[in-house]
Amino acid sequence: NAGVTQTPKFRVLKTGQSMTLLCAQDMNHEYMYWYRQDPGMGLRLIHYSVGEGTTAKGEVPDGYNVSRLKKQNFLLGLESAAPSQTSVYFCASSYGRVRAGYTFGSGTRLTVV
Amino acid sequence: SQQGEEDPQALSIQEGENATMNCSYKTSINNLQWYRQNSGRGLVHLILIRSNEREKHSGRLRVTLDTSKKSSSLLITASRAADTASYFCATDAGDNYGQNFVFGPGTRLSVLP
Repeated sequence: NAGVTQTPKFRVLKTGQSMTLLCAQDMNHEYMYWYRQDPGMGLRLIHYSVGEGTTAKGEVPDGYNVSRLKKQNFLLGLESAAPSQTSVYFCASSYGRVRAGYTFGSGTRLTVV
Repeated sequence: SQQGEEDPQALSIQEGENATMNCSYKTSINNLQWYRQNSGRGLVHLILIRSNEREKHSGRLRVTLDTSKKSSSLLITASRAADTASYFCATDAGDNYGQNFVFGPGTRLSVLP
């Protein structure tokens, strides 16, 4: 009963470095999402996917790329990290549309120096 | 643009008291959700209320929705120290059914023993 698992939990990057955040869900959910959370701003949607092989841009997609090669995994990539990308990143999944709300992972705290 | 916004930003009460948080939004919605986030953790789904519903209950939680005022409230009765968390409302953009929920900045609730 893992739900949504995010790796890594913490990471420090230097400006210009790249990294990939992994999100895995074991609930057979169709929809997956990547959010970032910054103080006083709530969660903002970066990218989302409505099924295997599909991705779409959210509210703040610049500087990020995503891939959904397998239904259970949703990867978030930072090609050239910037200090403005310092944030807590959350992955979420749902069955589709809004039947039962989103299931969130526990987050990845990323610091870019 | 932020769809939902919670009020107050922070709330401090004694154990046993009731806590009320409000969410106001700007455009018509199909659904509204409430989430809880404990410090350093992911968000946990509490309740989803649809635009044609006025009130929903779940244990000690009561959510109301007034679409004419574009507002919702979350009431936690007989609060406990374990209810200390941030609470977020999330609304779906009315013309983008179910695809993206927009989260407000949250209300930080402190329940003092």
